[in-house]
Amino acid sequence: NAGVTQTPKFQVLKTGQSMTLQCAQDMNHEYMSWYRQDPGMGLRLIHYSVGAGITDQGEVPNGYNVSRSTTEDFPLRLLSAAPSQTSVYFCASSAGTGAFFGQGTRLTVV
Amino acid sequence: AQSVTQLGSHVSVSEGALVLLRCNYSSSVPPYLFWYVQYPNQGLQLLLKYTSAATLVKGINGFEAEFKKSETSFHLTKPSAHMSDAAEYFCAVRVGETSGSRLTFGEGTQLTVNP
Repeated sequence: NAGVTQTPKFQVLKTGQSMTLQCAQDMNHEYMSWYRQDPGMGLRLIHYSVGAGITDQGEVPNGYNVSRSTTEDFPLRLLSAAPSQTSVYFCASSAGTGAFFGQGTRLTVV
Repeated sequence: AQSVTQLGSHVSVSEGALVLLRCNYSSSVPPYLFWYVQYPNQGLQLLLKYTSAATLVKGINGFEAEFKKSETSFHLTKPSAHMSDAAEYFCAVRVGETSGSRLTFGEGTQLTVNP
């Protein structure tokens, strides 16, 4: 079972570059979300989606865009990367209680 | 608004000793509560969850947690620590059925197990 798949696992960007972090789930979950994890701060919600065509902002949305054209996919776009966006990014999906997480994308912005 | 506080960013125990990781929550309505574990360079894995059924919840790997409404707590315990339990542990709260995956996480507790 694939579960939640994130690509890439590692990425280095230069300041000002843009990129898309991919997230796909094969569990037919309606809810998907993106978090960033920084030392000593736990996981903070960036954006989330309650179903195809519906997205909303979380706690730290600035500098990020999302879309949800299908149930399976929930890409996260960095519009113009900044060093403050250096972090580990996790995608999650859920149906009801609990959530399943991907393995993470470690992003460094130089 | 909901929030979670994990007391102690680092906890160190000896192998075979009791593990106690503390979590207090704040919520204006009955919450759903979760404990997740993260091994190095891995994603988060669900250990256990409280969903308003039994107040004592048993999870994987011998862990359990007790929901205490009067203390707004959901502490995680394991009677005897193993070396393999060394990881970071996150407590999380979710309010409402329609919130989906909108979890609010604590800052995490790094558990070290000494031989």
